[in-house]
Amino acid sequence: SAVISQKPSRDICQRGTSLTIQCQVDSQVTMMFWYRQQPGQSLTLIATANQGSEATYESGFVIDKFPISRPNLTFSTLTVSNMSPEDSSIYLCSVEDWTDNEQFFGPGTRLTVL
Amino acid sequence: KQEVTQIPAALSVPEGENLVLNCSFTDSAIYNLQWFRQDPGKGLTSLLLIQSSQREQTSGRLNASLDKSSGRSTLYIAASQPGDSATYLCAVTQGGSEKLVFGKGTKLTVNP
Repeated sequence: SAVISQKPSRDICQRGTSLTIQCQVDSQVTMMFWYRQQPGQSLTLIATANQGSEATYESGFVIDKFPISRPNLTFSTLTVSNMSPEDSSIYLCSVEDWTDNEQFFGPGTRLTVL
Repeated sequence: KQEVTQIPAALSVPEGENLVLNCSFTDSAIYNLQWFRQDPGKGLTSLLLIQSSQREQTSGRLNASLDKSSGRSTLYIAASQPGDSATYLCAVTQGGSEKLVFGKGTKLTVNP
């Protein structure tokens, strides 16, 4: 299974600012995914990030609010822009094992927006 | 639109008990189903993956079954321990998409 790390693990931010979350994988992967888990809720996919192409966003999520970079096969960033308290969530990245499609998750970034 | 439901939302059992967590999904055309564990404030740990062609998977004290035609999966935990206390999430993918659709989870508490 892949080992995934995220930075920062948590942050407290002021409304109107932006935060960039980093996701690092210990092996090369084709696809990386970004999920959001709002308080008391389950996980919702924000976007899928392929290396060398634009990220694909799910309904309700837009690039201006959640820009994503995927510069190589082991790294991705998600930026939460112009934050409001409604953005307070845990943000998780995940990768898929191409051999059997099992997905593995990072430890998450807990974001609180004041 | 695929919807995943997990029942019960919360479960409290004494240590040593065997227990079953339930997961149902509305669209039976799934590619695979995955069970995860989430500890408070943490990320997800993959427990078991069942491909759509499989009926069950086992790992240690955990056994997951899949009845694709009826849209149901169960996670059986044998001889529960306090360390099993966590939220258990069920998620499915559908053909042509790697997107996981999650249930809201079952919060399990195993009391010593």
